Amino acid sequence: QQKVQQSPESLTVSEGAMASLNCTFSDGTSNNFRWYRQHSAKGLEVLVSIFSDGEKEEGRFTAHLNRANLHVSLHIREPQPSDSAVYLCAVSIMNYNQGKLIFGQGTKLSIKP
Amino acid sequence: GPKVLQIPSHQIIDMGQMVTLNCDPVSNHLYFYWYKQILGQQMEFLVNFYNGKVMEKSKLFKDQFSVERPDGSYFTLKIQPTALEDSAVYFCASSLGDRGPGNQAPLFGEGTRLSVL
Repeated sequence: QQKVQQSPESLTVSEGAMASLNCTFSDGTSNNFRWYRQHSAKGLEVLVSIFSDGEKEEGRFTAHLNRANLHVSLHIREPQPSDSAVYLCAVSIMNYNQGKLIFGQGTKLSIKP
Repeated sequence: GPKVLQIPSHQIIDMGQMVTLNCDPVSNHLYFYWYKQILGQQMEFLVNFYNGKVMEKSKLFKDQFSVERPDGSYFTLKIQPTALEDSAVYFCASSLGDRGPGNQAPLFGEGTRLSVL
């Protein structure tokens, strides 16, 4: 059964410094990766999706995927206090029920002004 | 942009009662999902629904749970009867497709917090 683990559990970064979040998964056939974030008591906002090894940029958010290492990361360039939220890694299979997402436990990101 | 709306945002009920959680998905989406998040724990897939039928459900989707979307109205999750362990935030999501590259990520609602007393 797929296991998705995120690290660190929490992270504090100064405004303007790069924030890097990690996610490992156990099922090597996974090929559909999404990063969401969740502000307190709000829904999930999708940030970036990646389907093949390499990187994918969406504005200030860049995802890196290395399927051989079972690892996907998220890098946030020039974070602002409004980026403080819980960031969730979600994994699924592209050609089978993509919406059945297996989530990590989240990384709580705090941005210090 | 398009949004998934969930009603109500918070529901409190007594154990053993029935509860229906409502979701208004994005209008042209075809696939619908329910997820459950117990406080402090990971969000977990419950069920997905397409063309009037349950496509897949997890072991968390107990016999007391049911879903439906009658005539394109709300997509609902019904729990009858409720148990204490059903207390959680339930998130609804919808998507246009369910496979293939380039498919947009499911859009999530803000959740309904269910408190079973």
